[in-house]
Amino acid sequence: QQPVQSPQAVILREGEDAVINCSSSKALYSVHWYRQKHGEAPVFLMILLKGGEQKGHEKISASFNEKKQQSSLYLTASQLSYSGTYFCGTEGSRITGGGNKLTFGTGTQLKVEL
Amino acid sequence: EPEVTQTPSHQVTQMGQEVILRCVPISNHLYFYWYRQILGQKVEFLVSFYNNEISEKSEIFDDQFSVERPDGSNFTLKIRSTKLEDSAMYFCASSLGQGVSEQYFGPGTRLTVT
Repeated sequence: QQPVQSPQAVILREGEDAVINCSSSKALYSVHWYRQKHGEAPVFLMILLKGGEQKGHEKISASFNEKKQQSSLYLTASQLSYSGTYFCGTEGSRITGGGNKLTFGTGTQLKVEL
Repeated sequence: EPEVTQTPSHQVTQMGQEVILRCVPISNHLYFYWYRQILGQKVEFLVSFYNNEISEKSEIFDDQFSVERPDGSNFTLKIRSTKLEDSAMYFCASSLGQGVSEQYFGPGTRLTVT
């Protein structure tokens, strides 16, 4: 079952902050965040694992509430380059040696204007 | 910086024809994936591949689909008899390991079935 993202779309002025949420009805092992610009491949932003491990870009922060099966991505002091569609990809369980199957949400369109 | 590459960037084929989409994952990565994205929709998992075998596949990945790692560098997705609904952007991704391991996406192959 796919995770639900909110909001569906947001428009910011440069310098403003935004929070994008991702929630699942199933227990999660990890949450991955990606940004995709039109016609391009998704670009990795952040990975958060059950238990607290995380890894990502310096200017990006995110949280993962394991009990609520929710994750939030925090974009601060937004820049024009932040524009794009943000996807969360969730992993419900992990098979040893099985790779990380990601189920993606429907995305949040972010537009940053001057 | 190492990157995942995919060829061709765009493939047009007639319904019923076979297509092979090619990917070169990042050289020291061990896990390989195919995803697809129908225009304007979310990214969908197709299959993961590890240690020369499929580790997980989705409902979309039926008998018409197959994957192969024919040599030490290429990773291919074959669709035996294409249907109109196979038209989509196909992304290859690779990751180093399972833990806190992000997936790097290639630029995609746009498949158009006429």
